[in-house]
Amino acid sequence: NAGVTQTPKFRILKIGQSMTLQCTQDMNHNYMYWYRQDPGMGLKLIYYSVGAGITDKGEVPNGYNVSRSTTEDFPLRLELAAPSQTSVYFCAIIGPGDRPDTGELFFGEGSRLTVL
Amino acid sequence: GQNIDQPTEMTATEGAIVQINCTYQTSGFNGLFWYQQHAGEAPTFLSYNVLDGLEEKGRFSSFLSRSKGYSYLLLKELQMKDSASYLCAVRDGGATNKLIFGTGTLLAVQP
Repeated sequence: NAGVTQTPKFRILKIGQSMTLQCTQDMNHNYMYWYRQDPGMGLKLIYYSVGAGITDKGEVPNGYNVSRSTTEDFPLRLELAAPSQTSVYFCAIIGPGDRPDTGELFFGEGSRLTVL
Repeated sequence: GQNIDQPTEMTATEGAIVQINCTYQTSGFNGLFWYQQHAGEAPTFLSYNVLDGLEEKGRFSSFLSRSKGYSYLLLKELQMKDSASYLCAVRDGGATNKLIFGTGTLLAVQP
């Protein structure tokens, strides 16, 4: 999944702790997205950004914040971690693809977060 | 509202053909995607349809009927490595390129 780097890959948090999931892309794409995936479920959009300085809420934004100060970075912050935020988090960009008109998403490897 | 439905699980035999259906009701439509996701990995792009009809890509084909809100993914000559979840996703009609995902279909390929 070269092009989209997520850190950390794994993290265990205690209830009430805060942390930031990092997402960096080196492809100079404007569109970036944060999704979460609960076990056996599809992906839910948390926040997205259409360019530096512009962010907007997705389907499930509560409990999260984002910023987009540069084109490359789109960090996701959890302020007060709750067990309901135990999930796998994927950052995505509009991918390279072999058909430039599709606008397909290209995902990072994911960050697996457990809140105990 | 946004609603995308897929079967939860399917089982098929190695070498056979399997069809995974997806129906959608969304407020906007600007294309339908299929993704493959192996356990513990990120989703990877399989196919894209924006016009009615069939798109073929090797052993994989995807069909779209916009009037019926219906798509299917057809996998031929199944291999064990095709055991994975298959996610149907609809791109909304705005300029934000947001994808709305279904819950996925877990396909188990048996010998």
